[in-house]
Amino acid sequence: AQKITQTQPGMFVQEKEAVTLDCTYDTSDPSYGLFWYKQPSSGEMIFLIYQGSYDQQNATEGRYSLNFQKARKSANLVISASQLGDSAMYFCAMREGTGGGNKLTFGTGTQLKVEL
Amino acid sequence: GAVVSQHPSRVICKSGTSVKIECRSLDFQATTMFWYRQFPKQSLMLMATSNEGSKATYEQGVEKDKFLINHASLTLSTLTVTSAHPEDSSFYICSARAPGGGEKGFDGYTFGSGTRLTVV
Repeated sequence: AQKITQTQPGMFVQEKEAVTLDCTYDTSDPSYGLFWYKQPSSGEMIFLIYQGSYDQQNATEGRYSLNFQKARKSANLVISASQLGDSAMYFCAMREGTGGGNKLTFGTGTQLKVEL
Repeated sequence: GAVVSQHPSRVICKSGTSVKIECRSLDFQATTMFWYRQFPKQSLMLMATSNEGSKATYEQGVEKDKFLINHASLTLSTLTVTSAHPEDSSFYICSARAPGGGEKGFDGYTFGSGTRLTVV
Protein backbone atom coordinates (compact mmCIF):
# COMPACT_ATOMS: atom_id res chain seq x y z
CA ALA A 1 0.00 0.00 0.00
CA GLN A 2 1.15 3.51 -0.74
CA LYS A 3 2.24 5.35 2.36
CA ILE A 4 1.56 8.78 0.88
CA THR A 5 -1.10 9.36 -1.75
CA GLN A 6 -1.55 12.51 -3.76
CA THR A 7 -4.45 12.03 -6.15
CA GLN A 8 -4.13 15.29 -8.09
CA PRO A 9 -1.39 15.10 -10.71
CA GLY A 10 -2.16 18.65 -11.80
CA MET A 11 -4.11 21.60 -10.49
CA PHE A 12 -4.94 25.03 -11.87
CA VAL A 13 -5.85 28.04 -9.78
CA GLN A 14 -6.41 31.66 -10.59
CA GLU A 15 -4.17 34.26 -9.07
CA LYS A 16 -5.37 35.50 -5.66
CA GLU A 17 -7.63 32.47 -5.19
CA ALA A 18 -7.12 29.76 -2.59
CA VAL A 19 -6.26 26.19 -3.57
CA THR A 20 -6.22 22.90 -1.68
CA LEU A 21 -3.77 20.14 -2.51
CA ASP A 22 -4.78 16.73 -1.24
CA CYS A 23 -2.67 14.26 0.67
CA THR A 24 -3.61 11.07 2.48
CA TYR A 25 -1.24 8.87 4.40
CA ASP A 26 -1.04 5.40 5.80
CA THR A 27 0.88 4.42 8.92
CA SER A 28 0.41 2.34 12.03
CA ASP A 29 3.06 4.26 13.96
CA PRO A 30 1.45 6.59 16.50
CA SER A 31 4.31 9.05 16.18
CA TYR A 32 4.83 10.55 12.75
CA GLY A 33 5.36 13.83 10.98
CA LEU A 34 3.82 15.19 7.83
CA PHE A 35 5.50 17.67 5.51
CA TRP A 36 4.81 19.69 2.43
CA TYR A 37 7.57 20.75 0.08
CA LYS A 38 7.57 22.93 -2.99
CA GLN A 39 9.85 22.02 -5.87
CA PRO A 40 10.29 24.65 -8.59
CA SER A 41 11.81 23.76 -11.94
CA SER A 42 15.29 24.39 -10.51
CA GLY A 43 14.85 21.22 -8.46
CA GLU A 44 15.51 22.46 -4.95
CA MET A 45 13.19 21.22 -2.22
CA ILE A 46 11.64 24.15 -0.37
CA PHE A 47 10.12 23.31 3.01
CA LEU A 48 6.65 24.79 3.42
CA ILE A 49 4.99 23.37 6.51
CA TYR A 50 5.20 20.58 9.09
CA GLN A 51 2.58 18.84 11.23
CA GLY A 52 3.41 16.42 14.01
CA SER A 53 1.00 13.61 14.78
CA TYR A 54 0.53 14.84 18.33
CA ASP A 55 0.05 18.47 17.42
CA GLN A 56 -3.36 19.61 18.55
CA GLN A 57 -3.68 22.52 16.20
CA ASN A 58 -3.35 22.68 12.44
CA ALA A 59 -0.03 24.09 11.33
CA THR A 60 0.10 27.46 9.60
CA GLU A 61 3.00 29.26 7.94
CA GLY A 62 2.05 32.53 6.30
CA ARG A 63 -0.14 31.75 3.29
CA TYR A 64 0.21 28.02 3.88
CA SER A 65 -1.96 26.01 6.23
CA LEU A 66 -2.24 22.30 6.75
CA ASN A 67 -5.69 20.82 7.20
CA PHE A 68 -4.84 17.87 9.43
CA GLN A 69 -7.63 15.33 9.85
CA LYS A 70 -6.08 12.53 11.86
CA ALA A 71 -9.04 10.16 11.82
CA ARG A 72 -9.24 10.40 8.04
CA LYS A 73 -5.44 10.27 7.72
CA SER A 74 -5.39 13.32 5.55
CA ALA A 75 -3.05 16.30 5.53
CA ASN A 76 -4.18 18.68 2.84
CA LEU A 77 -2.22 21.82 2.04
CA VAL A 78 -4.15 25.04 1.62
CA ILE A 79 -2.49 27.91 -0.18
CA SER A 80 -4.33 31.18 0.22
CA ALA A 81 -4.11 34.14 -2.14
CA SER A 82 -2.21 32.24 -4.83
CA GLN A 83 0.61 34.02 -6.61
CA LEU A 84 2.21 33.33 -9.98
CA GLY A 85 5.36 32.31 -8.14
CA ASP A 86 3.45 29.47 -6.48
CA SER A 87 3.49 27.56 -9.77
CA ALA A 88 5.60 24.49 -9.00
CA MET A 89 5.48 20.84 -8.05
CA TYR A 90 4.23 20.16 -4.53
CA PHE A 91 5.11 17.05 -2.56
CA CYS A 92 3.57 15.66 0.60
CA ALA A 93 5.92 13.56 2.72
CA MET A 94 5.86 11.56 5.94
CA ARG A 95 8.34 10.58 8.62
CA GLU A 96 7.39 7.55 10.70
CA GLY A 97 8.74 7.31 14.23
CA THR A 98 10.93 9.84 15.96
CA GLY A 99 14.51 8.75 15.30
CA GLY A 100 16.98 11.09 13.65
CA GLY A 101 17.71 8.42 11.07
CA ASN A 102 14.14 8.11 9.93
CA LYS A 103 13.65 8.67 6.24
CA LEU A 104 10.98 10.74 4.55
CA THR A 105 8.59 9.01 2.16
CA PHE A 106 7.17 11.17 -0.60
CA GLY A 107 3.94 11.20 -2.53
CA THR A 108 3.82 11.42 -6.31
CA GLY A 109 3.34 15.16 -6.27
CA THR A 110 0.88 17.71 -7.61
CA GLN A 111 1.87 20.14 -10.35
CA LEU A 112 0.24 23.46 -9.53
CA LYS A 113 -0.16 26.15 -12.13
CA VAL A 114 -1.33 29.61 -11.12
CA GLU A 115 -3.03 31.56 -13.90
CA LEU A 116 -3.78 35.24 -14.34
CA GLY B 1 21.34 26.97 10.50
CA ALA B 2 21.13 23.46 9.03
CA VAL B 3 22.61 23.82 5.57
CA VAL B 4 23.53 20.97 3.25
CA SER B 5 25.76 21.82 0.32
CA GLN B 6 25.62 19.52 -2.71
CA HIS B 7 28.08 19.53 -5.62
CA PRO B 8 28.12 19.52 -8.53
CA SER B 9 24.76 21.00 -9.43
CA ARG B 10 25.03 19.73 -13.00
CA VAL B 11 27.28 17.18 -14.60
CA ILE B 12 27.49 15.68 -18.05
CA CYS B 13 29.59 12.59 -18.43
CA LYS B 14 30.35 10.01 -21.07
CA SER B 15 28.85 6.57 -20.92
CA GLY B 16 31.09 4.18 -19.01
CA THR B 17 32.71 6.77 -16.77
CA SER B 18 32.09 7.32 -13.06
CA VAL B 19 30.69 10.42 -11.42
CA LYS B 20 30.98 11.47 -7.79
CA ILE B 21 28.41 13.65 -6.06
CA GLU B 22 29.21 15.24 -2.71
CA CYS B 23 26.95 16.37 0.08
CA ARG B 24 28.33 18.32 3.01
CA SER B 25 26.50 19.42 6.11
CA LEU B 26 27.95 22.87 6.76
CA ASP B 27 26.82 23.73 10.26
CA PHE B 28 25.81 20.47 11.85
CA GLN B 29 26.96 16.89 12.09
CA ALA B 30 24.93 14.58 9.91
CA THR B 31 25.02 11.13 11.41
CA THR B 32 22.68 9.96 8.69
CA MET B 33 22.38 11.12 5.10
CA PHE B 34 19.62 10.10 2.72
CA TRP B 35 20.11 9.84 -1.04
CA TYR B 36 17.17 10.24 -3.38
CA ARG B 37 16.74 9.91 -7.11
CA GLN B 38 14.10 11.71 -9.12
CA PHE B 39 13.12 11.16 -12.74
CA PRO B 40 11.40 14.02 -14.60
CA LYS B 41 7.94 14.79 -13.27
CA GLN B 42 8.14 11.94 -10.78
CA SER B 43 8.52 11.61 -7.06
CA LEU B 44 11.68 11.42 -4.97
CA MET B 45 12.61 7.79 -4.51
CA LEU B 46 14.93 6.87 -1.67
CA MET B 47 18.00 5.06 -2.94
CA ALA B 48 19.91 4.53 0.26
CA THR B 49 20.54 5.68 3.77
CA SER B 50 24.15 6.31 4.69
CA ASN B 51 25.41 6.24 8.24
CA GLU B 52 28.74 7.73 9.26
CA GLY B 53 31.38 5.08 9.61
CA SER B 54 29.28 2.17 8.44
CA LYS B 55 27.92 0.66 5.26
CA ALA B 56 24.97 2.26 3.58
CA THR B 57 21.56 0.64 3.63
CA TYR B 58 20.18 0.37 0.12
CA GLU B 59 16.53 0.25 -0.84
CA GLN B 60 15.24 -2.78 -2.67
CA GLY B 61 16.12 -2.70 -6.34
CA VAL B 62 19.04 -0.27 -6.01
CA GLU B 63 22.34 -1.74 -7.18
CA LYS B 64 24.86 -1.11 -4.43
CA ASP B 65 27.79 -1.85 -6.73
CA LYS B 66 26.60 0.76 -9.18
CA PHE B 67 25.71 3.46 -6.68
CA LEU B 68 28.56 3.56 -4.20
CA ILE B 69 27.90 5.55 -1.07
CA ASN B 70 30.58 6.62 1.35
CA HIS B 71 29.95 8.46 4.60
CA ALA B 72 33.46 8.81 5.95
CA SER B 73 32.85 11.76 8.24
CA LEU B 74 30.01 13.40 10.09
CA THR B 75 29.90 16.20 7.54
CA LEU B 76 30.48 14.48 4.21
CA SER B 77 28.65 11.80 2.28
CA THR B 78 29.36 10.92 -1.34
CA LEU B 79 27.46 9.06 -4.01
CA THR B 80 29.47 7.64 -6.90
CA VAL B 81 27.65 6.45 -9.98
CA THR B 82 29.98 3.87 -11.47
CA SER B 83 30.10 2.97 -15.15
CA ALA B 84 27.32 5.40 -15.86
CA HIS B 85 24.88 4.75 -18.67
CA PRO B 86 22.22 6.99 -20.23
CA GLU B 87 19.52 5.35 -18.10
CA ASP B 88 21.32 6.68 -15.01
CA SER B 89 20.58 10.21 -16.16
CA SER B 90 18.46 11.67 -13.41
CA PHE B 91 18.24 14.23 -10.62
CA TYR B 92 19.99 13.12 -7.45
CA ILE B 93 19.38 14.89 -4.15
CA CYS B 94 20.63 14.31 -0.64
CA SER B 95 19.03 15.08 2.69
CA ALA B 96 20.03 15.02 6.34
CA ARG B 97 18.28 15.62 9.61
CA ALA B 98 19.96 18.06 11.95
CA PRO B 99 20.32 16.99 15.60
CA GLY B 100 17.43 18.14 17.72
CA GLY B 101 15.43 18.19 14.53
CA GLY B 102 12.22 17.53 16.32
CA GLU B 103 12.50 20.90 18.01
CA LYS B 104 12.79 22.78 14.78
CA GLY B 105 9.86 24.06 12.78
CA PHE B 106 10.93 22.11 9.76
CA ASP B 107 11.65 19.03 11.86
CA GLY B 108 15.31 19.33 10.98
CA TYR B 109 15.24 17.77 7.54
CA THR B 110 17.51 19.68 5.20
CA PHE B 111 18.05 19.03 1.52
CA GLY B 112 20.95 19.68 -0.78
CA SER B 113 20.21 21.61 -3.93
CA GLY B 114 20.43 18.51 -6.12
CA THR B 115 22.61 17.27 -8.95
CA ARG B 116 21.33 16.88 -12.47
CA LEU B 117 23.29 14.06 -14.11
CA THR B 118 23.25 13.59 -17.85
CA VAL B 119 25.06 10.60 -19.32
CA VAL B 120 25.79 10.84 -23.04
